[in-house]
Amino acid sequence: DAKTTQPPSMDCAEGRAANLPCNHSTISGNEYVYWYRQIHSQGPQYIIHGLKNNETNEMASLIITEDRKSSTLILPHATLRDTAVYYCIVRPRPQGGSEKLVFGKGTKLTVNP
Amino acid sequence: DTGVSQDPRHKITKRGQNVTFRCDPISEHNRLYWYRQTLGQGPEFLTYFQNEAQLEKSRLLSDRFSAERPKGSFSTLEIQRTEQGDSAMYLCASSLGVSFNTEAFFGQGTRLTVV
Repeated sequence: DAKTTQPPSMDCAEGRAANLPCNHSTISGNEYVYWYRQIHSQGPQYIIHGLKNNETNEMASLIITEDRKSSTLILPHATLRDTAVYYCIVRPRPQGGSEKLVFGKGTKLTVNP
Repeated sequence: DTGVSQDPRHKITKRGQNVTFRCDPISEHNRLYWYRQTLGQGPEFLTYFQNEAQLEKSRLLSDRFSAERPKGSFSTLEIQRTEQGDSAMYLCASSLGVSFNTEAFFGQGTRLTVV
């Protein structure tokens, strides 16, 4: 079962920053926060992940609160092509397991012109 | 294109028929996953292979479902005696599991419609 809570939908204006929140209040110390997105009719695409430090890559930034109970994915300059469903996933360090991803329903982000 | 490849992209079948899907992972990726996704839901994990060994199966994977990865490269997912409830997108993903936190790459999926 998904261990995260995300708003079902959000809107953002093109060129503005999109800030997508995620609550993971039951996260434990060995669990990472992952973000994937799924553009319509495509498979999910990896965006970024982190443990407790903030992370940034060419796609996005991930801000994790100090207590690690929530995080925010930031798309700094959203474009129309960023319209997608964004999934926040808590992923445990496996003990010889599959490292499978457990998806919730995600947040449908719509970037408007 | 060197990404994860799935075939066919679309399949329409009559209830009761058997169907088989194929997934070609990224070359040298030792981990392969199958997921199922229905409309409005996130992908649900079905099964996982490390090389040719099937190491985990979800309870969603009923006896009518079987998956193989005979040589540790491509994988097939077969559904026997299909039911309308099997209609979904079937997604395959692969990763290079040399260490924890390797990202999974997904294919574009096979959309199954059972009529």
